[in-house]
Amino acid sequence: GAVVSQHPSWVICKSGTSVKIECRSLDFQATTMFWYRQFPKQSLMLMATSNEGSKATYEQGVEKDKFLINHASLTLSTLTVTSAHPEDSSFYICSAEDSVYSNQPQHFGDGTRLSIL
Amino acid sequence: GENVEQHPSTLSVQEGDSAVIKCTYSDSASNYFPWYKQELGKRPQLIIDIRSNVGEKKDQRIAVTLNKTAKHFSLHITETQPEDSAVYFCAARSGFNKFYFGSGTKLNVKP
Repeated sequence: GAVVSQHPSWVICKSGTSVKIECRSLDFQATTMFWYRQFPKQSLMLMATSNEGSKATYEQGVEKDKFLINHASLTLSTLTVTSAHPEDSSFYICSAEDSVYSNQPQHFGDGTRLSIL
Repeated sequence: GENVEQHPSTLSVQEGDSAVIKCTYSDSASNYFPWYKQELGKRPQLIIDIRSNVGEKKDQRIAVTLNKTAKHFSLHITETQPEDSAVYFCAARSGFNKFYFGSGTKLNVKP
């Protein structure tokens, strides 16, 4: 089945550090990928839609300069949390849709647990 | 944008009983409604989904119903087992092809 690889799975770093999270579709091409954020015991909140070869579209309230998204190829999207602070600590999950077989369920990565000290 | 509401937030049932979780959505253009099961610290796992041209879908002990007119859809789990205990999320794909999630239901199946 379709596999989405997300890396790293766990990050602990100091306040002020920038952190890059990668999301790869391993066996399919993904024109569109999604980035979510999930706080403990809460739902997945859509942050942004990553579009291959064009700018990401951000949901209301999400700072695009804080959460930089790059989708340079059909199999890779990256989310960079710039100058991270403790309030950015969360579980970040990406998902991807198969570009060829559209109208299929999205495929989730395993998530990245980000802890800012 | 789309707004998905989910109820109840917690649900406790006895093993063997049925569990029902309900969701409503606001965007009439939404056309795809998946349900996910998420265990702590892990990715959501798709358990069943339904498209807007179908009213009901069943897969063994799990079923989903969709009422497009009322903009609500429900998850039904029959003969619940302790391993069904988890957090369940509904979601809707909006007319802009974005996915929006409900707030989640923590299901506890008591042995």
